[in-house]
Amino acid sequence: DQQVKQNSPSLSVQEGRISILNCDYTNSMFDYFLWYKKYPAEGPTFLISISSIKDKNEDGRFTVFLNKSAKHLSLHIVPSQPGDSAVYFCAASGGLQFYFGTGTSLTVIP
Amino acid sequence: NAGVTQTPKFQVLKTGQSMTLQCAQDMNHNSMYWYRQDPGMGLRLIYYSASEGTTDKGEVPNGYNVSRLNKREFSLRLESAAPSQTSVYFCASSEGVGTPVHNEQFFGPGTRLTVL
Repeated sequence: DQQVKQNSPSLSVQEGRISILNCDYTNSMFDYFLWYKKYPAEGPTFLISISSIKDKNEDGRFTVFLNKSAKHLSLHIVPSQPGDSAVYFCAASGGLQFYFGTGTSLTVIP
Repeated sequence: NAGVTQTPKFQVLKTGQSMTLQCAQDMNHNSMYWYRQDPGMGLRLIYYSASEGTTDKGEVPNGYNVSRLNKREFSLRLESAAPSQTSVYFCASSEGVGTPVHNEQFFGPGTRLTVL
């Protein structure tokens, strides 16, 4: 059973606007959450993370929000740029194992 | 500093053949992982090695074996390949100790395996 879910397989956004990618999890023992970005024919690369003791973490144009009561996290990209077009995976961990969502393919339209 | 390297990049096998996927990291990380990525399934953990000398099963270990050869290298072996093992395989590593800030994973470029 999928413990981390990304219910939107794809998202299209105009350049300069905000991209919001969503992720839900089921295991309340998860205490560390990450977002990865993946280009075709490459491995995923780490983007941003958040610990369960926080509800927000920012890094430049990227902000991750965590709502523990709803078991939900989101990634905001502002402003979106064409180079942000990629597949985004969220992941969750309660120890050494990581559980990944199925990914959301983001297309930023120039 | 190459990060995480994987060989080969591509491989085609016939059903029943065996092969070993190689992975090495030069970041002095303690933990290493093998994932497979299938369409609509995200990345699923096959096996991981928390530290040199230890290995543990992940979500989908059946049909695979692993060896943590030393701190740098972690190999994945398919003893008798099946078409269901057609996938893209990623190796990853992380510091694996201490606070969550150490648990970011670094991924290799992947091996695309087709089993006919």
